[in-house]
Amino acid sequence: EAGVTQSPTHLIKTRGQQATLRCSPISGHTSVYWYQQALGLGLQFLLWYDEGEERNRGNFPPRFSGRQFPNYSSELNVNALELEDSALYLCASSWLQGSGNTIYFGEGSWLTVV
Amino acid sequence: QQQVKQSPQSLIVQKGGISIINCAYENTAFDYFPWYQQFPGKGPALLIAIRPDVSEKKEGRFTISFNKSAKQFSLHIMDSQPGDSATYFCAARPLGGGADGLTFGKGTHLIIQP
Repeated sequence: EAGVTQSPTHLIKTRGQQATLRCSPISGHTSVYWYQQALGLGLQFLLWYDEGEERNRGNFPPRFSGRQFPNYSSELNVNALELEDSALYLCASSWLQGSGNTIYFGEGSWLTVV
Repeated sequence: QQQVKQSPQSLIVQKGGISIINCAYENTAFDYFPWYQQFPGKGPALLIAIRPDVSEKKEGRFTISFNKSAKQFSLHIMDSQPGDSATYFCAARPLGGGADGLTFGKGTHLIIQP
Protein backbone atom coordinates (compact mmCIF):
# COMPACT_ATOMS: atom_id res chain seq x y z
CA GLU A 1 0.00 0.00 0.00
CA ALA A 2 1.34 3.42 -0.98
CA GLY A 3 2.22 5.84 1.78
CA VAL A 4 1.67 9.58 1.75
CA THR A 5 3.07 10.94 -1.49
CA GLN A 6 4.15 14.49 -2.10
CA SER A 7 5.22 16.44 -5.16
CA PRO A 8 7.39 18.04 -6.23
CA THR A 9 10.37 16.79 -4.26
CA HIS A 10 12.21 20.04 -4.77
CA LEU A 11 11.03 23.46 -5.88
CA ILE A 12 12.98 26.66 -6.40
CA LYS A 13 11.08 29.92 -6.61
CA THR A 14 11.88 33.59 -6.66
CA ARG A 15 10.77 35.93 -3.90
CA GLY A 16 7.27 37.23 -4.62
CA GLN A 17 6.22 34.22 -6.70
CA GLN A 18 3.68 31.57 -5.77
CA ALA A 19 4.39 27.95 -4.93
CA THR A 20 1.99 25.01 -5.08
CA LEU A 21 2.74 21.76 -3.33
CA ARG A 22 0.68 18.61 -3.66
CA CYS A 23 -0.12 15.68 -1.40
CA SER A 24 -1.90 12.37 -1.78
CA PRO A 25 -2.89 10.73 1.51
CA ILE A 26 -2.84 7.05 2.28
CA SER A 27 -5.86 5.34 0.75
CA GLY A 28 -8.79 5.57 3.14
CA HIS A 29 -7.42 8.52 5.08
CA THR A 30 -9.67 11.57 5.10
CA SER A 31 -7.58 13.98 7.16
CA VAL A 32 -4.58 15.77 5.68
CA TYR A 33 -2.19 17.94 7.66
CA TRP A 34 0.51 20.28 6.45
CA TYR A 35 3.60 21.09 8.48
CA GLN A 36 6.53 23.38 7.87
CA GLN A 37 9.96 22.14 8.93
CA ALA A 38 12.41 24.99 8.83
CA LEU A 39 16.03 24.46 9.79
CA GLY A 40 16.44 24.61 13.55
CA LEU A 41 12.76 25.29 14.21
CA GLY A 42 11.27 21.82 14.35
CA LEU A 43 7.87 21.04 12.87
CA GLN A 44 5.27 23.79 12.81
CA PHE A 45 1.60 22.99 12.16
CA LEU A 46 0.23 24.81 9.13
CA LEU A 47 -3.16 23.49 8.10
CA TRP A 48 -5.59 20.63 8.67
CA TYR A 49 -8.16 19.50 6.11
CA ASP A 50 -10.81 16.88 6.62
CA GLU A 51 -13.64 15.89 4.30
CA GLY A 52 -12.82 18.79 2.02
CA GLU A 53 -13.01 21.45 4.70
CA GLU A 54 -10.31 23.46 6.41
CA ARG A 55 -10.64 22.49 10.07
CA ASN A 56 -7.79 24.38 11.66
CA ARG A 57 -4.76 26.44 10.81
CA GLY A 58 -1.58 27.24 12.66
CA ASN A 59 0.01 30.58 13.33
CA PHE A 60 0.85 31.41 9.72
CA PRO A 61 -0.19 34.39 7.57
CA PRO A 62 -3.12 34.11 5.12
CA ARG A 63 -0.75 33.82 2.16
CA PHE A 64 -0.43 30.20 3.23
CA SER A 65 -3.56 28.48 2.00
CA GLY A 66 -4.70 25.25 0.50
CA ARG A 67 -7.56 22.98 -0.28
CA GLN A 68 -8.61 19.36 -0.19
CA PHE A 69 -10.16 17.71 -3.20
CA PRO A 70 -13.02 15.18 -3.28
CA ASN A 71 -10.48 12.34 -3.55
CA TYR A 72 -8.90 13.66 -0.31
CA SER A 73 -5.71 14.79 -1.98
CA SER A 74 -4.58 18.25 -1.03
CA GLU A 75 -2.52 21.14 -2.21
CA LEU A 76 -0.73 23.85 -0.31
CA ASN A 77 -0.34 27.26 -1.87
CA VAL A 78 2.12 29.85 -0.68
CA ASN A 79 1.66 33.28 -2.21
CA ALA A 80 4.03 36.24 -2.25
CA LEU A 81 6.97 34.03 -1.31
CA GLU A 82 9.49 35.35 1.17
CA LEU A 83 13.02 34.12 1.75
CA GLU A 84 12.06 32.74 5.16
CA ASP A 85 9.50 30.45 3.52
CA SER A 86 12.39 28.25 2.48
CA ALA A 87 11.77 24.98 4.31
CA LEU A 88 10.72 21.36 4.04
CA TYR A 89 6.94 21.14 3.77
CA LEU A 90 5.55 17.91 5.12
CA CYS A 91 2.14 16.46 4.48
CA ALA A 92 0.64 13.89 6.83
CA SER A 93 -2.59 11.94 6.85
CA SER A 94 -4.73 9.96 9.21
CA TRP A 95 -8.03 8.14 8.85
CA LEU A 96 -9.79 9.73 11.77
CA GLN A 97 -9.20 12.83 13.81
CA GLY A 98 -8.80 12.17 17.49
CA SER A 99 -6.49 10.96 20.16
CA GLY A 100 -4.43 7.90 19.57
CA ASN A 101 -4.69 7.88 15.80
CA THR A 102 -1.29 7.71 14.22
CA ILE A 103 -0.46 10.25 11.59
CA TYR A 104 1.75 9.23 8.72
CA PHE A 105 4.11 11.70 7.11
CA GLY A 106 5.21 11.92 3.52
CA GLU A 107 8.79 12.59 2.61
CA GLY A 108 8.23 16.26 2.07
CA SER A 109 8.73 18.93 -0.54
CA TRP A 110 11.79 21.14 -0.29
CA LEU A 111 10.96 24.73 -1.14
CA THR A 112 13.81 27.13 -1.73
CA VAL A 113 13.06 30.81 -2.20
CA VAL A 114 15.82 32.87 -3.78
CA GLN B 1 2.18 29.66 24.43
CA GLN B 2 2.38 25.91 24.42
CA GLN B 3 5.97 24.68 24.26
CA VAL B 4 7.92 21.49 24.32
CA LYS B 5 11.60 21.95 25.10
CA GLN B 6 13.92 19.23 23.84
CA SER B 7 17.56 18.58 24.70
CA PRO B 8 20.26 18.04 23.71
CA GLN B 9 20.26 19.54 20.23
CA SER B 10 22.83 16.98 19.11
CA LEU B 11 24.20 13.81 20.67
CA ILE B 12 27.04 11.45 19.84
CA VAL B 13 26.98 7.98 21.38
CA GLN B 14 29.26 5.00 20.90
CA LYS B 15 27.80 1.84 19.44
CA GLY B 16 26.31 -0.27 22.20
CA GLY B 17 25.81 2.69 24.51
CA ILE B 18 22.61 4.27 25.82
CA SER B 19 21.21 7.33 24.05
CA ILE B 20 19.07 9.62 26.20
CA ILE B 21 16.98 12.50 24.87
CA ASN B 22 14.94 14.68 27.20
CA CYS B 23 11.83 16.78 26.77
CA ALA B 24 9.93 19.10 29.09
CA TYR B 25 6.50 20.63 28.63
CA GLU B 26 4.50 23.40 30.26
CA ASN B 27 0.88 22.75 29.31
CA THR B 28 -0.78 20.39 31.76
CA ALA B 29 -3.52 19.74 29.19
CA PHE B 30 -1.09 17.64 27.19
CA ASP B 31 -2.11 14.03 27.46
CA TYR B 32 -0.30 12.17 24.70
CA PHE B 33 3.44 12.15 24.14
CA PRO B 34 4.81 10.58 20.94
CA TRP B 35 8.36 10.37 19.68
CA TYR B 36 9.18 10.56 15.99
CA GLN B 37 12.29 9.38 14.16
CA GLN B 38 13.39 11.10 10.99
CA PHE B 39 16.12 9.88 8.65
CA PRO B 40 17.69 12.28 6.15
CA GLY B 41 15.44 12.81 3.15
CA LYS B 42 12.51 11.05 4.81
CA GLY B 43 9.44 12.20 6.66
CA PRO B 44 9.14 11.66 10.42
CA ALA B 45 7.86 8.25 11.49
CA LEU B 46 6.16 7.46 14.79
CA LEU B 47 8.58 5.52 16.98
CA ILE B 48 6.85 5.13 20.32
CA ALA B 49 4.26 7.01 22.37
CA ILE B 50 3.10 7.22 25.98
CA ARG B 51 0.16 8.55 27.99
CA PRO B 52 0.68 10.05 31.48
CA ASP B 53 -1.12 7.25 33.28
CA VAL B 54 2.03 5.14 33.00
CA SER B 55 5.57 6.04 34.01
CA GLU B 56 7.39 3.92 31.47
CA LYS B 57 6.78 2.24 28.14
CA LYS B 58 9.22 -0.08 26.44
CA GLU B 59 9.27 -1.30 22.85
CA GLY B 60 12.34 -3.29 21.98
CA ARG B 61 15.41 -1.15 22.56
CA PHE B 62 13.33 2.03 22.89
CA THR B 63 11.92 3.17 26.24
CA ILE B 64 9.96 6.28 27.19
CA SER B 65 10.19 7.41 30.80
CA PHE B 66 7.52 9.83 31.97
CA ASN B 67 7.53 12.06 35.07
CA LYS B 68 4.14 13.76 35.32
CA SER B 69 4.93 15.86 38.39
CA ALA B 70 8.07 17.26 36.77
CA LYS B 71 6.35 17.55 33.37
CA GLN B 72 9.25 15.76 31.75
CA PHE B 73 9.63 12.74 29.52
CA SER B 74 12.61 11.12 27.93
CA LEU B 75 13.57 8.60 25.27
CA HIS B 76 16.17 5.97 26.04
CA ILE B 77 17.73 3.93 23.24
CA MET B 78 19.49 0.90 24.65
CA ASP B 79 22.36 -0.83 22.83
CA SER B 80 22.46 2.05 20.33
CA GLN B 81 23.32 1.04 16.77
CA PRO B 82 24.63 3.03 13.80
CA GLY B 83 21.25 2.50 12.14
CA ASP B 84 19.68 4.54 14.94
CA SER B 85 21.50 7.64 13.68
CA ALA B 86 18.67 10.03 12.87
CA THR B 87 16.88 13.11 14.15
CA TYR B 88 14.43 12.46 16.96
CA PHE B 89 11.48 14.70 17.79
CA CYS B 90 9.38 14.57 20.91
CA ALA B 91 5.86 15.91 20.76
CA ALA B 92 2.86 16.52 22.98
CA ARG B 93 -0.87 16.78 22.32
CA PRO B 94 -3.95 17.60 24.41
CA LEU B 95 -6.36 14.79 25.17
CA GLY B 96 -8.72 14.23 22.28
CA GLY B 97 -6.64 16.33 19.99
CA GLY B 98 -5.47 15.39 16.55
CA ALA B 99 -2.33 16.03 14.61
CA ASP B 100 -3.20 19.71 14.42
CA GLY B 101 -2.71 19.83 18.18
CA LEU B 102 0.74 18.25 18.18
CA THR B 103 3.48 20.50 19.54
CA PHE B 104 6.93 19.33 18.55
CA GLY B 105 10.30 19.81 20.16
CA LYS B 106 13.05 21.20 17.98
CA GLY B 107 14.69 17.84 17.49
CA THR B 108 17.86 16.00 18.51
CA HIS B 109 20.39 14.97 15.91
CA LEU B 110 21.72 11.60 17.11
CA ILE B 111 24.91 10.07 15.76
CA ILE B 112 25.93 6.56 16.77
CA GLN B 113 29.60 5.98 16.19
CA PRO B 114 30.65 2.44 15.21
